[in-house]
Amino acid sequence: GIQVEQSPPDLILQEGANSTLRCNFSDSVNNLQWFHQNPWGQLINLFYIPSGTKQNGRLSATTVATERYSLLYISSSQTTDSGVYFCAVERYGDSWGKLQFGAGTQVVVTP
Amino acid sequence: DAGVTQSPTHLIKTRGQQVTLRCSPISGHKSVSWYQQVLGQGPQFIFQYYEKEERGRGNFPDRFSARQFPNYSSELNVNALLLGDSALYLCASSWASGNTGELFFGEGSRLTVL
Repeated sequence: GIQVEQSPPDLILQEGANSTLRCNFSDSVNNLQWFHQNPWGQLINLFYIPSGTKQNGRLSATTVATERYSLLYISSSQTTDSGVYFCAVERYGDSWGKLQFGAGTQVVVTP
Repeated sequence: DAGVTQSPTHLIKTRGQQVTLRCSPISGHKSVSWYQQVLGQGPQFIFQYYEKEERGRGNFPDRFSARQFPNYSSELNVNALLLGDSALYLCASSWASGNTGELFFGEGSRLTVL
């Protein structure tokens, strides 16, 4: 199956700092999403971004499908940004509806 | 508008028992997917249903089954529970028909098997 690698695995930030999370994938994809999982387990949609660049407030994401990676940028981080960030992809030709998740990046934002 | 709703939110079962988890998709969404998330890992795909038919299946044993109803809600059943089935079970819905499309997740059902 497709491999999804996220880096770094852990990230500790001071409030107000900027950061970049990376997602590498091993095959062509027709779907890529970024999620934030809060401490209660809910997966919150951040971006649906199989290619291109999107921005939503302090967050932005870029996917370069031809080079098989995606980046999530967090600017002016806040304590509410703490949690686990997941990248998930669907490979072309895979079982319909099968999103392959990475292992996640655990982010802790300190006051 | 209501998001994806799941029930129950928490449940405790013993080994060998059976469990049924329920999911209602976002209004207008016809596709429902189920994922299992073990502590410390990313979610793993179990099933996807569209228009009441199974369209995708992950690498899970036959003890896991699901179905989708005419109103597009869904149930996940797990028989002969094992300790390793303890996990957060997530349901997701999407409107897309030709591919997965953007998935929206519910808050999950946390299952503990003793």
